[in-house]
Amino acid sequence: DGGITQSPKYLFRKEGQNVTLSCEQNLNHDAMYWYRQDPGQGLRLIYYSQIVNDFQKGDIAEGYSVSREKKESFPLTVTSAQKNPTAFYLCASMRAGNTIYFGEGSWLTVV
Amino acid sequence: QKEVEQDPGPLSVPEGAIVSLNCTYSNSAFQYFMWYRQYSRKGPELLMYTYSSGNKEDGRFTAQVDKSSKYISLFIRDSQPSDSATYLCAQGRYMRFGAGTRLTVKP
Repeated sequence: DGGITQSPKYLFRKEGQNVTLSCEQNLNHDAMYWYRQDPGQGLRLIYYSQIVNDFQKGDIAEGYSVSREKKESFPLTVTSAQKNPTAFYLCASMRAGNTIYFGEGSWLTVV
Repeated sequence: QKEVEQDPGPLSVPEGAIVSLNCTYSNSAFQYFMWYRQYSRKGPELLMYTYSSGNKEDGRFTAQVDKSSKYISLFIRDSQPSDSATYLCAQGRYMRFGAGTRLTVKP
């Protein structure tokens, strides 16, 4: 089945560590997005990519990095510079017609 | 000012009630809007999208856009306990979202 796969579902990070969240889609979508969601809050855009080898910062990019080497993949690295990384992270992709679809999310907790 | 504003609620209604969820937007450059439903600890799922002013219906759900007042609404008729979720509105090519409204429908 087509869809967006995020892994891992749950991840624990020690202080000072970088961690990478995986996002893979087999929908042949050009655009991909990363959002962060804190408890009781909406989605905040971290990074987005309209095409391979190109990406732009969203509203809260500080402390995060991404790459887009393949159309199917858009991994997010949460660096040690992100001071409050505990959150629910959502990856999404967009098909023509501007409809965005989400993965099931990854929970990151700092321990 | 945030591009999309949404009352976070929470909103609690009895089963069978008509629910009205609302958002306002500030950027008129992107004239398409979406509503998503998010169950606890899950990714949001697309409910409806619309490109124009007026109403769009899909079963018990109606999406309404008023471009003159920059107001978008989602109406749920005959609400069910299974509708209990957080509802998010979104606008535009770069997908700015509202804060989400948490809805509880009580049996």
